[in-house]
Amino acid sequence: GIQVEQSPPDLILQEGANSTLRCNFSDSVNNLQWFHQNPWGQLINLFYIPSGTKQNGRLSATTVATERYSLLYISSSQTTDSGVYFCAASRGNFNKFYFGSGTKLNVKP
Amino acid sequence: NAGVTQTPKFRILKIGQSMTLQCAQDMNHNYMYWYRQDPGMGLKLIYYSVGAGITDKGEVPNGYNVSRSTTEDFPLRLELAAPSQTSVYFCASSSETSSYEQYFGPGTRLTVT
Repeated sequence: GIQVEQSPPDLILQEGANSTLRCNFSDSVNNLQWFHQNPWGQLINLFYIPSGTKQNGRLSATTVATERYSLLYISSSQTTDSGVYFCAASRGNFNKFYFGSGTKLNVKP
Repeated sequence: NAGVTQTPKFRILKIGQSMTLQCAQDMNHNYMYWYRQDPGMGLKLIYYSVGAGITDKGEVPNGYNVSRSTTEDFPLRLELAAPSQTSVYFCASSSETSSYEQYFGPGTRLTVT
């Protein structure tokens, strides 16, 4: 399988600050997604981004497939951004996903 | 649209008991997945399905079985429950028409004692 590593493991921000979360993967991928798990456990898909850049409001993501990493940018963070951010990737078999261990974000008011 | 639904929300099993976790989606997605999440960890894929009648193993399939007789339903069967199966179980679905983005159910918290 693919090794997926996320950094940093923990992040504390003051409301309004910006942050960058990183996801490294051990091999070329054909599917990469970012997810947010809120403090109540619900998982929400943020981006499907095997390559290139996408933006959705205050969030954006960039995947550089040739260098085997993806970045998630959070601008003007809000307390509702708190939770755990996961990236997941697959290669070959498009549906066989491997998750990283996540970045736990705490945004303080 | 209810999205992805899972039942039950919570369950306590005794060692050796069996149970079925239910998952259903009403988005006509062809791909469905079962994951488990242990405390403080990422998700691990148990089984997945690319359509009715077609299933395949994920990263951690031992101790579980699945079936997919319809597009909507993807139940997960635990036989002879063990304490190592204590976890939160998530079902998800996706399709090409939704840009392969996975939609998750609310999860089932299972404790085996």
